[in-house]
Amino acid sequence: SQKIEQNSEALNIQEGKTATLTCNYTNYSPAYLQWYRQDPGRGPVFLLLIRENEKEKRKERLKVTFDTTLKQSLFHITASQPADSATYLCALDINDYKLSFGAGTTVTVRA
Amino acid sequence: DAGVIQSPRHEVTEMGQEVTLRCKPISGHNSLFWYRQTMMRGLELLIYFNNNVPIDDSGMPEDRFSAKMPNASFSTLKIQPSEPRDSAVYFCASRPTQTSYEQYFGPGTRLTVT
Repeated sequence: SQKIEQNSEALNIQEGKTATLTCNYTNYSPAYLQWYRQDPGRGPVFLLLIRENEKEKRKERLKVTFDTTLKQSLFHITASQPADSATYLCALDINDYKLSFGAGTTVTVRA
Repeated sequence: DAGVIQSPRHEVTEMGQEVTLRCKPISGHNSLFWYRQTMMRGLELLIYFNNNVPIDDSGMPEDRFSAKMPNASFSTLKIQPSEPRDSAVYFCASRPTQTSYEQYFGPGTRLTVT
């Protein structure tokens, strides 16, 4: 069966460090993968999209990698700040409109 | 732009009552999605509209759930009759075109059925 696993439910890190989140999937062949941020009581907010033929994508302090052989995406937040504290969701495309979301990893950045 | 607008933000109702959730997508977006989020099942797609036409309703859990999109700027999700297991946060999201993959989510409606 298809499955998306995000490494851990919670990640606690010190301000200034790099947070690394993992998204592993099985029985999918996504053409692209997306990462979203969700704050408590709010809807998910789109952050980055990476296509199957791209190895790496960057946006400010965020970096995403996509390894279709390992069936894994890594999401990095460099120079983390308390404002980065949130839940981060990975999402894989099922078809041209349908996304399958992981359960999310909650990141807490300590000052 | 105001973003995706949903109402109400919170709804508390008794089992058996009808519930109607409302969504106004971002102007110019022609794809609209309704999702449900729970701790147990995460974020699940309920129904997808493109150009106001329902394309995929395979995620609608039961006949008690129905959704409409009478025009490009308004959609409703109705639950009749509601049950306690329908308690969840319901999100509406929109997308600019069929070839734009990122989705823009509303703030959600937290539904509690007692």
